[in-house]
Amino acid sequence: KQEVTQIPAALSVPEGENLVLNCSFTDSAIYNLQWFRQDPGKGLTSLLLIQSSQREQTSGRLNASLDKSSGRSTLYIAASQPGDSATYLCAVVGSGNTGKLIFGQGTTLQVKP
Amino acid sequence: EAQVTQNPRYLITVTGKKLTVTCSQNMNHEYMSWYRQDPGLGLRQIYYSMNVEVTDKGDVPEGYKVSRKEKRNFPLILESPSPNQTSLYFCASSSTPLGEVLTDTQYFGPGTRLTVL
Repeated sequence: KQEVTQIPAALSVPEGENLVLNCSFTDSAIYNLQWFRQDPGKGLTSLLLIQSSQREQTSGRLNASLDKSSGRSTLYIAASQPGDSATYLCAVVGSGNTGKLIFGQGTTLQVKP
Repeated sequence: EAQVTQNPRYLITVTGKKLTVTCSQNMNHEYMSWYRQDPGLGLRQIYYSMNVEVTDKGDVPEGYKVSRKEKRNFPLILESPSPNQTSLYFCASSSTPLGEVLTDTQYFGPGTRLTVL
């Protein structure tokens, strides 16, 4: 059974710092991995999607990497800003093609001015 | 603007009173899905649909029904809500032709916060 874990559960950093969020999964048979952002009381916004054949994806200040063999992904945020404060979720689509996203519990990030 | 919409956004109801949460997407996506989010349990899939008239159960389908009569809409029906269905519900959609591997980005609606008394 696929399990997704995110460490740390919470993170507080000063503005301007570069940071890394971690995601690990137990079964390497995935189709893709997706990083989301969730703001309080709001829905999930897709940040980056990495296909199983890819190693990384970049969007602006965000860079996500994927090491399928070791079951790990990282989300790198450069030059963090207070507006980056949110909960970040990673999710994998596993085998079986139900399209089901299996989510981690998330990392709640606070960027202090 | 490409989006997934849900209605209502907030709902307080009583046990046993049938309700429907609507979900609509304007991206002509084949794939749609419902999740619930609970503290400590994260997001779990309730039902999904690969295309019109094609639906299947996710991990936690008990107490829920869905229908997919047209591509853009995927309502979630609670025939007899109970307090353990109090949760935050999300609808999602993605573009994937029927029968192919789901590899595209999944887009989520804003969520519906349901309280069952």
